[in-house]
Amino acid sequence: NAGVTQTPKFQVLKTGQSMTLQCAQDMNHNSMYWYRQDPGMGLRLIYYSASEGTTDKGEVPNGYNVSRLNKREFSLRLESAAPSQTSVYFCASRGTGDGYTFGSGTRLTVV
Amino acid sequence: AQSVTQLGSHVSVSEGALVLLRCNYSSSVPPYLFWYVQYPNQGLQLLLKYTSAATLVKGINGFEAEFKKSETSFHLTKPSAHMSDAAEYFCAVSSYYGNNRLAFGKGNQVVVIP
Repeated sequence: NAGVTQTPKFQVLKTGQSMTLQCAQDMNHNSMYWYRQDPGMGLRLIYYSASEGTTDKGEVPNGYNVSRLNKREFSLRLESAAPSQTSVYFCASRGTGDGYTFGSGTRLTVV
Repeated sequence: AQSVTQLGSHVSVSEGALVLLRCNYSSSVPPYLFWYVQYPNQGLQLLLKYTSAATLVKGINGFEAEFKKSETSFHLTKPSAHMSDAAEYFCAVSSYYGNNRLAFGKGNQVVVIP
């Protein structure tokens, strides 16, 4: 089925470890986004990529890096994980028009 | 910058009663407005969206919302709550112009009382 695929679905990290969250979309969308969801905070934008080859900071970029590998893939990297980065992470994409498509999320726990 | 305000993190409603979730937005350009629903341990599902066509928007599961520019509001309603409506609801704003980032409110956790 067409959509946004996120891997992994669950991950437990120790403080200081690094990891990359993967996101891929097969809808030929130009724009891709990474959000984090925390209780009572809604979804907050970490980074986004308006088109292949460009990335920009969102609302809460500290502690994260991103790579827009190609038009399909947009990865989020935690270089040195901290307990404050325990969250649910959502990737989304948007093509022409007004529709956003979300992945099913990655639940990350940093201990 | 665009933003959304949702008041009342938890909303309790009796089964069969009106569901009303309030959303006020701030945007310097004509907005696109969205309501999403999230069931426990699931992703986001689009309920409905406003993109400058009809101001009264009908969505899935019997929900609707009305865009009121003068009040900068986009409140979500459903005439009769069902137990299956228990979920978290998010209002979000974007625009056709600029970078099209989607900004979310903090959400309303809806509890349906039998």
